[in-house]
Amino acid sequence: DTAVSQTPKYLVTQMGNDKSIKCEQNLGHDTMYWYKQDSKKFLKIMFSYNNKELIINETVPNRFSPKSPDKAHLNLHINSLELGDSAVYFCASSRSLVDQETQYFGPGTRLLVL
Amino acid sequence: AQSVSQHNHHVILSEAASLELGCNYSYGGTVNLFWYVQYPGQHLQLLLKYFSGDPLVKGIKGFEAEFIKSKFSFNLRKPSVQWSDTAEYFCAVNARSNTGKLIFGQGTTLQVKP
Repeated sequence: DTAVSQTPKYLVTQMGNDKSIKCEQNLGHDTMYWYKQDSKKFLKIMFSYNNKELIINETVPNRFSPKSPDKAHLNLHINSLELGDSAVYFCASSRSLVDQETQYFGPGTRLLVL
Repeated sequence: AQSVSQHNHHVILSEAASLELGCNYSYGGTVNLFWYVQYPGQHLQLLLKYFSGDPLVKGIKGFEAEFIKSKFSFNLRKPSVQWSDTAEYFCAVNARSNTGKLIFGQGTTLQVKP
């Protein structure tokens, strides 16, 4: 009954590779997000999508490309991985963009770039 | 730019001790305020939130937080902690832009000794 799920949970890869992280929510929400958590546990928003439309792009390098095939999915593709991309990536969803809405988080994907 | 500051990075308490975790934000306008918690091995989940009305907000598991507008603060409290409260606690703010953008503090690790 996982509300927001991510795959894979762990990802270890070499610099220069391309990888994808998938996110799915079964809550019927309209809005989905990607956050990056660095080694100091600082969580920073990367992207938000509402009804498959990009709303926020927080000056993320264009090596990161989100894709929302439908409202229930928001995938993150990363090209030419760099050491600094090592982090935990969290997907989240909310019912709408209204600010008071609670965001529901996935379990995170731990990416390690060697 | 908005920012959120959590003063305590790592707090160690004995069971039954009282807890107060500090959170201050910098933003001149109206905000919504959140506390999220991440228990070991679990997803980030909402503890409580404030967007209007009574500045003293009660959340799950006996937690409460008080919004003090003049101090730009939203401190989290619990009168008597339990071992099961061991977790990471994150304060977050959004600026009522209806973009869903949450700005997180750097988190506080709470360790409760049995």
